[in-house]
Amino acid sequence: SQKIEQNSEALNIQEGKTATLTCNYTNYSPAYLQWYRQDPGRGPVFLLLIRENEKEKRKERLKVTFDTTLKQSLFHITASQPADSATYLCALPNQAGTALIFGKGTTLSVSS
Amino acid sequence: KAGVTQTPRYLIKTRGQQVTLSCSPISGHRSVSWYQQTPGQGLQFLFEYFSETQRNKGNFPGRFSGRQFSNSRSEMNVSTLELGDSALYLCASRLPTAGVDNEQFFGPGTRLTVL
Repeated sequence: SQKIEQNSEALNIQEGKTATLTCNYTNYSPAYLQWYRQDPGRGPVFLLLIRENEKEKRKERLKVTFDTTLKQSLFHITASQPADSATYLCALPNQAGTALIFGKGTTLSVSS
Repeated sequence: KAGVTQTPRYLIKTRGQQVTLSCSPISGHRSVSWYQQTPGQGLQFLFEYFSETQRNKGNFPGRFSGRQFSNSRSEMNVSTLELGDSALYLCASRLPTAGVDNEQFFGPGTRLTVL
């Protein structure tokens, strides 16, 4: 079955720096990958989807890459702000394409 | 447009009891999925309902069940509660295309504590 690893549970950075979060997966190669943000006591919020034929996708200060050879996605937040502090989850479809499998998330803390 | 709503937000039950959680999707969304989130296991897929039918199911015991009504509202039921069922239960709705690639809209969750 598919396994997802978000390689750090917590990441602490200073305001203004670029945060880079990693999502690694094993077994089959998914057709796409999604990133979500979750704040304490709330449900996840969709941020970006990247497909296997897209190397990179951007949305405002967010950038996602998808390397199907390395089986890895990188999620970047440039010019980070304290308001970016949250848990970020990557998700990809199971092999049948019938459900999303989520990583356990990386908790980002941005200090001013 | 109103978001996904879940009731109740918090619930305390004792072992052996049963519980029913409710989810109202975004208007026009006919697909509703349920997830269990715990610190140890993260977010895990329970099942998905579409047009009142269970379309997909995760790897959870039969104590976990659900249903969907004609107005797309969904309920989830857990019978014979165990301590390990303590978790945040999230529902998510999305536009009903064939795959799960379109974004899911999550509700705020129901925090269930089993004593």
